[in-house]
Amino acid sequence: QSALTQPASVSGSPGQSITISCTGTSSDVGSYNLVSWYQQHPGKVPKLIIYDVSQRPSGVSNRFSGSKSGNTASLTISGLQVEDEADYHCCSYASSNIWVFGGGTRLTVL
Amino acid sequence: QVHLLQSGAAVKNPGSSVKVSCKASGGTLSNYAFNWVRQAPGQGLEWMGGIIPIFGTPNHAQRFQGRVTISADESTSTVYMEVSNLRSEDTAVYYCATEGEGRFDPWGQGTPVTVSS
Repeated sequence: QSALTQPASVSGSPGQSITISCTGTSSDVGSYNLVSWYQQHPGKVPKLIIYDVSQRPSGVSNRFSGSKSGNTASLTISGLQVEDEADYHCCSYASSNIWVFGGGTRLTVL
Repeated sequence: QVHLLQSGAAVKNPGSSVKVSCKASGGTLSNYAFNWVRQAPGQGLEWMGGIIPIFGTPNHAQRFQGRVTISADESTSTVYMEVSNLRSEDTAVYYCATEGEGRFDPWGQGTPVTVSS
């Protein structure tokens, strides 16, 4: 049950697109389409932005999109806005009611 | 939608235990899987374990086996998570969150726990 691997930080300018990767193994990300992403602003509670690899909850901007290839899931944010600056965490099911998170990625909007 | 209210902040000595509660309102406890996730200062989220009250048997991340106890009281719609033999590395914000259809949502407000002598 090792943590999923995310880059520690990414950055982009307003209007640009960025992608955050989340690499697991064939026992978690590679085996289940149960990958979710959470946005967390400093001092705030994590907020669900993507579930089931690519589904957006009601109310979440369509600038956020998710995908998966093999053992790696990705979150893409298009049309970057200043308010997108936050930490992003991925999560995957890993069988037998076990879940695993990534280490988190700090997004800076320059 | 269910709303989760957690117990308040705690300061504990090394070697002691802490029990954090998470009270659900606006829904039936038995309909949900409740999970505990912690976040150490400046770190990412870490899944600790969870429980589906109607089944009763909790699951834990391997590294917390034997030191974390998760339980549920359906009569009060409250889920508990107790960590024993606390050490400084357990200083973190502890969140409860419901999980359904692969998504953790909603989350409680978080309970800061500080372990310090």
